[in-house]
Amino acid sequence: VQLVESGGGLVQPGGSLRLTCTASGVIFSNYWMSWVRQAPGKGLEWVAHIKQDGSEKYYVDSVKGRFTISRDNAKNSLYLQLNSLRVEDTAVYYCARTSAFDIWGQGTTVTVSS
Amino acid sequence: EIVMTQTPLSLSVTPGQPATISCKSSQSLLHSDGKTYLNWFLQKPGQPPQLLIYELSNRFSGVPDRFSGSGSGTDFTLEISRVEAEDVGVYYCLQTIQLPRTFGQGTKVEI
Repeated sequence: VQLVESGGGLVQPGGSLRLTCTASGVIFSNYWMSWVRQAPGKGLEWVAHIKQDGSEKYYVDSVKGRFTISRDNAKNSLYLQLNSLRVEDTAVYYCARTSAFDIWGQGTTVTVSS
Repeated sequence: EIVMTQTPLSLSVTPGQPATISCKSSQSLLHSDGKTYLNWFLQKPGQPPQLLIYELSNRFSGVPDRFSGSGSGTDFTLEISRVEAEDVGVYYCLQTIQLPRTFGQGTKVEI
């Protein structure tokens, strides 16, 4: 069972990125999935999660209206579209299988800086 | 939002000795289904978090039995019966009863 994130990078404030999490060895479509982030030297912050069929999505207040979570079960993939990025969005972004958060990817780094 | 407060924030331990980490929530994590939605994680240096305990006291697959979770309502404890060198890292509690999901600040454990 494996989750692999990609899509991170360096972006200027106000810019956009799309993160991808690809699952293998697990029936991806059976599970809620989450994004969790960790700013440099800081703790963990839950960002968003999405229901198995994509019909329900929830976000932490600090990203509402800027980030969009989505999934493609045919591709075993989870996405996070990051728009209007701010310096404080700089973090390692992890995807995790919810509800127990029992499987995590290795993370992808997003750096927002001018 | 449920606030999760961990104590202590750092802990120096001796191999073979026990260790205890506390986590308190600002609201009860006991659901009407009888389950308590409190998880514990360990994040080793340079790695993603790994699940240790789910729903208050259930050890995740492969987690050594020296780790145990207990508590009720708003007060929770993670105990390591005999610390080993591989147990160093940052421990987090997480509530999964309400949105947004919220983590404790983390407790750094070092030998």
